[in-house]
Amino acid sequence: DQQVKQNSPSLSVQEGRISILNCDYTNSMFDYFLWYKKYPAEGPTFLISISSIKDKNEDGRFTVFLNKSAKHLSLHIVPSQPGDSAVYFCAAKGGIYNNNDMRFGAGTRLTVKP
Amino acid sequence: GAVVSQHPSRVICKSGTSVKIECRSLDFQATTMFWYRQFPKKSLMLMATSNEGSKATYEQGVEKDKFLINHASLTLSTLTVTSAHPEDSSFYICSASSGRGPETQYFGPGTRLLVL
Repeated sequence: DQQVKQNSPSLSVQEGRISILNCDYTNSMFDYFLWYKKYPAEGPTFLISISSIKDKNEDGRFTVFLNKSAKHLSLHIVPSQPGDSAVYFCAAKGGIYNNNDMRFGAGTRLTVKP
Repeated sequence: GAVVSQHPSRVICKSGTSVKIECRSLDFQATTMFWYRQFPKKSLMLMATSNEGSKATYEQGVEKDKFLINHASLTLSTLTVTSAHPEDSSFYICSASSGRGPETQYFGPGTRLLVL
């Protein structure tokens, strides 16, 4: 039951360009969305989040966009830096789930080339 | 950010043996801990949620007698894979929450289990 989907397993961009990572969800009860970043041999770390009452949230080089009608969100990183190379997980929560119970996508491996 | 450790980071065992994985919150008290499992190229799948001092709540399809979870203190939760089989080989990752919202869920580095 893949309620959160990241259809691109990998993405490669040039340093300085924009990285766009996409995420789709199926459960309309989700009301909070998060992006996590994961380096090898480390656990995922929280990056940025957005509530369903918003359509955009920005934090420095990172911006998350939410399109509720399309059940789609995206993470934009601009400008991309080599240190951004990692696996990015999209997560969603809400509805009948516990407050901290989240559903994750499979992740997208971002490679930023110098 | 807060630190969550897991031990061991990697374990190889024979089929039929039991394996215990520890998850510790090192610099905060975790009211809730979560255990996830990740298959290659798949998402993190929540296995169970545990609150300190109470029984874990298992997700549908997860065998509670096979995956024993103990949350004995506010800084330690353990997952024991009993009578492990090759199909239990996976990446197990825990997270700990201080209870102040989803942004305060901190993940451990994960444990790679290989059952021969």
